[in-house]
Amino acid sequence: SQQGEEDPQALSIQEGENATMNCSYKTSINNLQWYRQNSGRGLVHLILIRSNEREKHSGRLRVTLDTSKKSSSLLITASRAADTASYFCATDQSSGNTGKLIFGQGTTLQVKP
Amino acid sequence: EPEVTQTPSHQVTQMGQEVILRCVPISNHLYFYWYRQILGQKVEFLVSFYNNEISEKSEIFDDQFSVERPDGSNFTLKIRSTKLEDSAMYFCASKVWGTLSYNEQFFGPGTRLTVL
Repeated sequence: SQQGEEDPQALSIQEGENATMNCSYKTSINNLQWYRQNSGRGLVHLILIRSNEREKHSGRLRVTLDTSKKSSSLLITASRAADTASYFCATDQSSGNTGKLIFGQGTTLQVKP
Repeated sequence: EPEVTQTPSHQVTQMGQEVILRCVPISNHLYFYWYRQILGQKVEFLVSFYNNEISEKSEIFDDQFSVERPDGSNFTLKIRSTKLEDSAMYFCASKVWGTLSYNEQFFGPGTRLTVL
């Protein structure tokens, strides 16, 4: 089954605006993680939210998790041009605690200066 | 700050050749992973490795693939006979411990594999 489906697929905003990306998944999870990827580069870990948490903050990032709806959102406040990247949610739903991550298709964010 | 490193950054090979992709996980981490990302697609799990053995593998990870931790620091992915469809970015990742999986995975910068 598909896990971690993000929407929108692409988002274009002006610098200073907030960006919200959503992620849905289908099975129970241990945690959900958000990653950023600049074009052609590696994955940078942004934030992890556990299944028993509802909201988490890190700097300009705010993540929410609704396990009843099997969804999560990532909010970037006061966006900057440097935030331009692809953002992926990844779910850890391994029953055997191997910790494998299932990634979504990602949201491509463009922040215009 | 400790980080996962990968070499080479770009590998070009002929179809049918063997390639070995190398990774050095963060030193106190115990779980190791390989993922791949075909251009324009999402990141896909290949294999997880713990205590010197594979703990889980995906359907992609067939007999052409193998992993090894030959010493205390390196973690390698070998593709025995490369195919055109193996062209992708390969990411290594590691994390501290596995119980309850409440900890994040740290990814390396990736190796771009091009099979001609």
